[in-house]
Amino acid sequence: LAKTTQPISMDSYEGQEVNITCSHNNIATNDYITWYQQFPSQGPRFIIQGYKTKVTNEVASLFIPADRKSSTLSLPRVSLSDTAVYYCLVALGTDKLIFGTGTRLQVFP
Amino acid sequence: DVKVTQSSRYLVKRTGEKVFLECVQDMDHENMFWYRQDPGLGLRLIYFSYDVKMKEKGDIPEGYSVSREKKERFSLILESASTNQTSMYLCASSSENNSPLHFGNGTRLTVT
Repeated sequence: LAKTTQPISMDSYEGQEVNITCSHNNIATNDYITWYQQFPSQGPRFIIQGYKTKVTNEVASLFIPADRKSSTLSLPRVSLSDTAVYYCLVALGTDKLIFGTGTRLQVFP
Repeated sequence: DVKVTQSSRYLVKRTGEKVFLECVQDMDHENMFWYRQDPGLGLRLIYFSYDVKMKEKGDIPEGYSVSREKKERFSLILESASTNQTSMYLCASSSENNSPLHFGNGTRLTVT
């Protein structure tokens, strides 16, 4: 099974831009890349999804290079409330949905 | 807004007991999933289902079974609970392949 790899943790300060990268070397041709945010004692919550190039919504941007073997979640101007664990999810074929190990983002004032 | 409801927030069971974890979604989603989450290991897929009465094994199905008799309900069964099944269990649903997952808030199971 292919694995996704993310940094275990990252620190930032309020107002900075944060970029979290996920590696997924064995991504399949039709698979999408999805990022989730999780707060303590809650289930993960959808942030953004993309297939290639760049996707932007009201909370984040997602950058995917041409080879699609990695993706980068970009959070502009983070605040304390962005402190959470961030997961990338790569749909492997039509079956199993494999989460990365997650990146714990700590935002300081 | 999609709602995925897990029947219990906290559950304490004894070793050897049969345990049922229930999950209900209200958006007519085709796909449902069960994950467990442990510190340092992230989310690991136990079982999933793409249709009523259909089930597929995930990465760690050993010691678990599932039931999907109705589209909106997906049950996780621990036939004989063991202490290594103490964990946070998360249920999710999605409308189709590659569409975002919607998660419940989890059931924290402790097996003593």
